[in-house]
Amino acid sequence: DAGITQSPRYKITETGRQVTLMCHQTWSHSYMFWYRQDLGHGLRLIYYSAAADITDKGEVPDGYVVSRSKTENFPLTLESATRSQTSVYFCASRDRRDTQYFGPGTRLTVL
Amino acid sequence: AQSVTQPDIHITVSEGASLELRCNYSYGATPYLFWYVQSPGQGLQLLLKYFSGDTLVQGIKGFEAEFKRSQSSFNLRKPSVHWSDAAEYFCAVGADNQGGKLIFGQGTELSVKP
Repeated sequence: DAGITQSPRYKITETGRQVTLMCHQTWSHSYMFWYRQDLGHGLRLIYYSAAADITDKGEVPDGYVVSRSKTENFPLTLESATRSQTSVYFCASRDRRDTQYFGPGTRLTVL
Repeated sequence: AQSVTQPDIHITVSEGASLELRCNYSYGATPYLFWYVQSPGQGLQLLLKYFSGDTLVQGIKGFEAEFKRSQSSFNLRKPSVHWSDAAEYFCAVGADNQGGKLIFGQGTELSVKP
């Protein structure tokens, strides 16, 4: 189906483990984004990508790594998860009119 | 610094009543403005957007918003609220020179009383 998907939808992990959240879009949008959503903070940008192999930091990048080898995929990796990274993570892609379309989110719990 | 403020964290309205959600922005460039809605456990869905032209913008689900440059505001309105409108609403702002990035407000949670 066309659109933007995220996997897994739910993830529980332990402190110190590596976790990768996947994001896939079928529109061939150049721009993709990762946000985290926490109570009282709205959505905060973690990383974004303007095209394959081009990524840049957002507002809260510490503790996260991204890659973009293909236009349609934009995985987010927590190299050593911490409790403060417990959050809901949203991926988005942007069309040529600057409108962002969001995935359904991944709820991550770090114990 | 660029920012988006949604002054109301939580609003409760009766079904059938009118609704206005406030959004104020601080942005140096000519802004693009968006309203998104998020139902519980879901991602964000675009309600409407303003890029240029007519300052009154119509969106989906009967929502509209008005861009007022003099007040740096982009308030969302609906003349008659339905119970299914209960959700969280986010205002966001972007600009040509921001690489497609958006800045989001903290959100306003809307509850609807029967």
